[in-house]
Amino acid sequence: QKEVEQNSGPLSVPEGAIASLNCTYSDRGSQSFFWYRQYSGKSPELIMSIYSNGDKEDGRFTAQLNKASQYVSLLIRDSQPSDSATYLCAVIILYGNNRLAFGKGNQVVVIP
Amino acid sequence: NAGVMQNPRHLVRRRGQEARLRCSPMKGHSHVYWYRQLPEEGLKFMVYLQKENIIDESGMPKERFSAEFPKEGPSILRIQQVVRGDSAAYFCASSPPTGRAGEAFFGQGTRLTVV
Repeated sequence: QKEVEQNSGPLSVPEGAIASLNCTYSDRGSQSFFWYRQYSGKSPELIMSIYSNGDKEDGRFTAQLNKASQYVSLLIRDSQPSDSATYLCAVIILYGNNRLAFGKGNQVVVIP
Repeated sequence: NAGVMQNPRHLVRRRGQEARLRCSPMKGHSHVYWYRQLPEEGLKFMVYLQKENIIDESGMPKERFSAEFPKEGPSILRIQQVVRGDSAAYFCASSPPTGRAGEAFFGQGTRLTVV
């Protein structure tokens, strides 16, 4: 089982719609979860961190965490063409010496 | 406050040569990660270091690859006798001490091309 799994293929959403991304993780002891955005040819940048069950909102982004089900999600409201990027889920793996492990990412394309 | 600095940005090496990639973390950051990314693929963990200490190198190939983070100076990822399969983008990230270790900031990456 992969440490961090993002299974969905590329996601196309019309401008103004909600984009929804999901991520599951294998380490039940993990306490720290992150979403990074990566534009093509650029480096990843941190956009959200979440540590407690429930929702965390930051502007148009909402992260949702459910530790019992071991999943994290990211919602992007009012999607804009500038949101077109690859979104990477990341988790601190406790049994891995607290290293930061990434999923393979989900590409989002916002269609004007 | 300068961000994470990686150099060089682009590196071309012939097969069999050595590649040295450098990473200077953000001020106040004591943790450094190295990741490799192939085109259209995710970030593959390689090594996690603190000053003068390798915390986790489970993602590093057993041969030809090594990493260090000395007391003074940048972290170095060294690839000996490079092969074409080593061509990739290598990203370094730094983070503060425990507590918010996952809030890592990435450098711009080094694009290694082996010819």
